[in-house]
Amino acid sequence: GQQVMQIPQYQHVQEGEDFTTYCNSSTTLSNIQWYKQRPGGHPVFLIQLVKSGEVKKQKRLTFQFGEAKKNSSLHITATQTTDVGTYFCAGIEGGSEKLVFGKGTKLTVNP
Amino acid sequence: DAGVIQSPRHEVTEMGQEVTLRCKPISGHNSLFWYRQTMMRGLELLIYFNNNVPIDDSGMPEDRFSAKMPNASFSTLKIQPSEPRDSAVYFCASSWGPEREFFGPGTRLTVL
Repeated sequence: GQQVMQIPQYQHVQEGEDFTTYCNSSTTLSNIQWYKQRPGGHPVFLIQLVKSGEVKKQKRLTFQFGEAKKNSSLHITATQTTDVGTYFCAGIEGGSEKLVFGKGTKLTVNP
Repeated sequence: DAGVIQSPRHEVTEMGQEVTLRCKPISGHNSLFWYRQTMMRGLELLIYFNNNVPIDDSGMPEDRFSAKMPNASFSTLKIQPSEPRDSAVYFCASSWGPEREFFGPGTRLTVL
């Protein structure tokens, strides 16, 4: 079945440093979504990418979808303590309605 | 809109007891998902419904787990009998088709 791999599992950064998490799927995706889960909270939708090679920005966050629609990345510029949490990618195979989540990258930011 | 509502928020029970988790999806959404989250296994999809019909229950661990969606505004996840290894946070989420999922606050289940 479809698998979504996400690396790294953990990332510790100093406030102000950049952060990137990578997501790879075993199959071609129709779209990929990113979620953020704060400690003790629930996953919250950040963005959805649909087109091959798509790049979207949300303030300091940049999301990319690979040309082959099998990988994606989330880059945060100049991290802040409010960025702390676990970032999940989740992909949908063509013809499916089922989101398959990666294991997530847990980000900690030292002030 | 109140968002996805789950109850109870916390449940502590003893091994062998029946546990029922409840979910009210966002009005108008046609898909409902049950997830389980643990440190070891991450976020796992247990089952999802589309228009109240179970579509994929391949993630349900075993026969002790069952889920129902009697109408568009209510779903239950039942564990009978519960075991300590079922301890986890259980999330319900809803969506309109293959779009963004809205997660509920979760039920933290502890089985002693």
